[in-house]
Amino acid sequence: EVQLLESGGGLVQPGGSLRLSCAASGFTFRNYAMSWVRQAPGKGLEWVSVISASGDDRYYADSVKGRFTISRDNSKNTLDLQMNSLRVEDTAVYYCAKDSIPYSNYQNWFDPWGQGTLVTVSS
Amino acid sequence: DIVMTQSPDSLAVSLGERATINCKSSQSVLDSSNKKNYLVWYQQKPGQPPKLLIYWASTRESGVPDRFSGSGSGTDFTLTISSLQAEDVAVYYCQQYYSTPPYTFGQGTKLEIK
Repeated sequence: EVQLLESGGGLVQPGGSLRLSCAASGFTFRNYAMSWVRQAPGKGLEWVSVISASGDDRYYADSVKGRFTISRDNSKNTLDLQMNSLRVEDTAVYYCAKDSIPYSNYQNWFDPWGQGTLVTVSS
Repeated sequence: DIVMTQSPDSLAVSLGERATINCKSSQSVLDSSNKKNYLVWYQQKPGQPPKLLIYWASTRESGVPDRFSGSGSGTDFTLTISSLQAEDVAVYYCQQYYSTPPYTFGQGTKLEIK
């Protein structure tokens, strides 16, 4: 069974930093691109970042570009999101999500999603 | 970026009745070379992550009840629940994966029981 388990969320002050992690199991992690998607309280879904299966390519939403860094360790089956210069508007549940198709060109959907970890940016 | 717009924002339907949710993309998500529409539907229940329902606009994910169906092509898509059950109360999202990244979602449609 595919499992994605996020951790690292918490309360942080504006301007601060936080590092999220996602532990993956139940599939060949190194074969799939992985994404982070967030959801502000009571709001819709917003894609944040994607990293290729190899880790060589990374893309970001404009809203986080230059502040967030996605990375992965294929030897440990982990996905990370380093979040710097956090803003109040970054407050959200952050989900890690697996690409549906291996070796993709990013043209596929997310399945499954982890349970999410809550990041609260507040003074 | 492709903008996805769902309608309505919320919907109340009686048990056993049909529910219809629409999704419109700002540009076509149909690949003419393979005739596939790069459109997916998710269901999200309170306190849970999104769950895959339908991909390629009309292919039902394994295990999803057949009362759920997807249709449409190009820029206009529909998710239909043929006979609403209590467990279908959720927020439904469409997402395009044609021009990615960025992946873009509709704003969501909240489905409730009337």
